[in-house]
Amino acid sequence: EADIYQTPRYLVIGTGKKITLECSQTMGHDKMYWYQQDPGMELHLIHYSYGVNSTEKGDLSSESTVSRIRTEHFPLTLESARPSHTSQYLCASGRPGTGVEQFFGPGTRLTVL
Amino acid sequence: KNQVEQSPQSLIILEGKNCTLQCNYTVSPFSNLRWYKQDTGRGPVSLTIMTFSENTKSNGRYTATLDADTKQSSLHITASQLSDSASYICVVHYGNNRLAFGKGNQVVVIP
Repeated sequence: EADIYQTPRYLVIGTGKKITLECSQTMGHDKMYWYQQDPGMELHLIHYSYGVNSTEKGDLSSESTVSRIRTEHFPLTLESARPSHTSQYLCASGRPGTGVEQFFGPGTRLTVL
Repeated sequence: KNQVEQSPQSLIILEGKNCTLQCNYTVSPFSNLRWYKQDTGRGPVSLTIMTFSENTKSNGRYTATLDADTKQSSLHITASQLSDSASYICVVHYGNNRLAFGKGNQVVVIP
């Protein structure tokens, strides 16, 4: 079992609320990623980081933002949640030289009413 | 059109039977291909990695094949168990550290 954690696991909130999805890993990995996954669909990369103070946008445009102040921590923030943000958010980490194996957290299921 | 196509989209099999999942990709240049297993409500877990020079690799009851010339891979599950019920995701690493994900094969094993 990978040592990567996400909280909360499930979140139901109203439109307009600010939310932060937490992701932490204890493996010392430099690379961390956020994916968005809708039911029956592929994972879409929305943010990634190659180390502290490094953040980049992924392939899928997202209104969320991320920060990487510590190696082990990669939180994702939505300033004003909307129903279109309803989805599953998966955090992952990886290290160089592993053929880009990514270790995934359990995910956060977000529902915006 | 998705860069990684998986088939069948969903599959129901009897416990103890075998099944084969297909993954076709179009991206290049190819670096490697991974199969992940994603249980319901969980994150994906890597099952196997295939590099350009590898044709087949096994991990317990899971056997992956790769034909880099035709850009096809398969995942064979032998003697399926109820715990094999999951989504199996094909992920291709290509280019400058880019990843292309398939939508997954949804497998349901019934007793």
